[in-house]
Formats: sequence, C-alpha cells, structure tokens
Amino acid sequence: QKEVEQNSGPLSVPEGAIASLNCTYSDRGSQSFFWYRQYSGKSPELIMFIYSNGDKEDGRFTAQLNKASQYVSLLIRDSQPSDSATYLCAGNSGGSNYKLTFGKGTLLTVNP
Amino acid sequence: GAGVSQTPSNKVTEKGKYVELRCDPISGHTALYWYRQSLGQGPEFLIYFQGTGAADDSGLPNDRFFAVRPEGSVSTLKIQRTERGDSAVYLCASSLGLNNEQFFGPGTRLTVL
Repeated sequence: QKEVEQNSGPLSVPEGAIASLNCTYSDRGSQSFFWYRQYSGKSPELIMFIYSNGDKEDGRFTAQLNKASQYVSLLIRDSQPSDSATYLCAGNSGGSNYKLTFGKGTLLTVNP
Repeated sequence: GAGVSQTPSNKVTEKGKYVELRCDPISGHTALYWYRQSLGQGPEFLIYFQGTGAADDSGLPNDRFFAVRPEGSVSTLKIQRTERGDSAVYLCASSLGLNNEQFFGPGTRLTVL
C-alpha cells in the first residue's frame, strides 16, 4: 500500500508566525507532489505543486521536496487567521500523472 | 467562469438502495476524476476518465460502484445496494488534461442509513 503520511495535528500558531507542515511518502515512483488547502465543509483547492528537489516559493508559501528522504513540506510565512484550514499533501501514485494519493491532512489553526 | 459542479449536494438513502451522483466538469476539461473522502481522511482515488473512457477504475472498491461519462463531459457515479460504509463525501475533479491541476467540485455528501 503506497502511503502519504501527515501529522494530523492540530497545529496551532500565532498570527504572523511561520507554520511548518510536513509529509512523508512511501512510493519512490512518485514524482510530483501537491499541497491542497481544505476549509471545513469545502472542497480541496491547490496551493502549490513541486516536482524537483529543493524549494519552490510562491508568495507566502514555500514547498520543499527531498526525494532522497521522501519528504515534502509546506511553509507558510506571516500566517493569517484565514490560513486556518486542513492542509492535504498528495503525491502522484505509481508514477502516474493523474492518480493522486492523499495524506489524511493536517489541521492548522492560526490564532489572532 | 463556472467551476466543477456536483449534484445533489447531500443525499440520504437507506441501506440497499441505488444512488446516482452527478458531476459537471469545467467546460473544455477532458480529464475527470472521482474521489471519496471519509471523515478525517484525505480524498481516496476511485476512477479517472480521459474523454468518454474510464482510463483507470482501479480505485473503485467493488462491483457495486460504476461510473460513466457517455459524452465526454458530465459523469455519473452509480452505487448499487448501498451500505452504511459507503457514507462519505464523493468529490469530483477535472483537469484540462494530464499533468494539469485538478480542480475539485464541492462534493456530494452521501449518508446511508
């Protein structure tokens, strides 16, 4: 069973702090990784994707990928209360371009 | 523009009944996906369509589940002889093609009593 593991949290950070969300995966065939944000009762929306080892920055968000360690992370700088949501990590399963394997998600709460 | 739409938003049914869940993808998106999300879990892949054909149905849990996309646009997920364990949110997503971002619909919350 190919798995994506996340700490379910909850992770609580004060407003303005850096939130660090982590994810490990077992499928070495996975090439692409995605971070989705899901507000309570809503559908997932894509925040970032990363294919290459290293860091990828987009505004307040930085995704990090380390294929040797099979580790993906998402950093949120200057966290805002509106960032409070569940963050889902996903990898493409078995090297396919379409089948995503999701982790259980980490609940992030940003306190004003 | 319109996003992915799903109907109904909520469906309550009794054990043993048949249900159909509908997904209307973003116009022009050739790829369509069904996922199932149980409480406290991430979405679980069920099936993927490229055009009209089911390119990968390996995630369907058993033969009570079936999905169609006859004209390459709207898709229907069909569940026969529903069981309480089928209760979940069924999410549909679409993308422009392979290697493109998957946009999720609002989901259908299915409750089997």
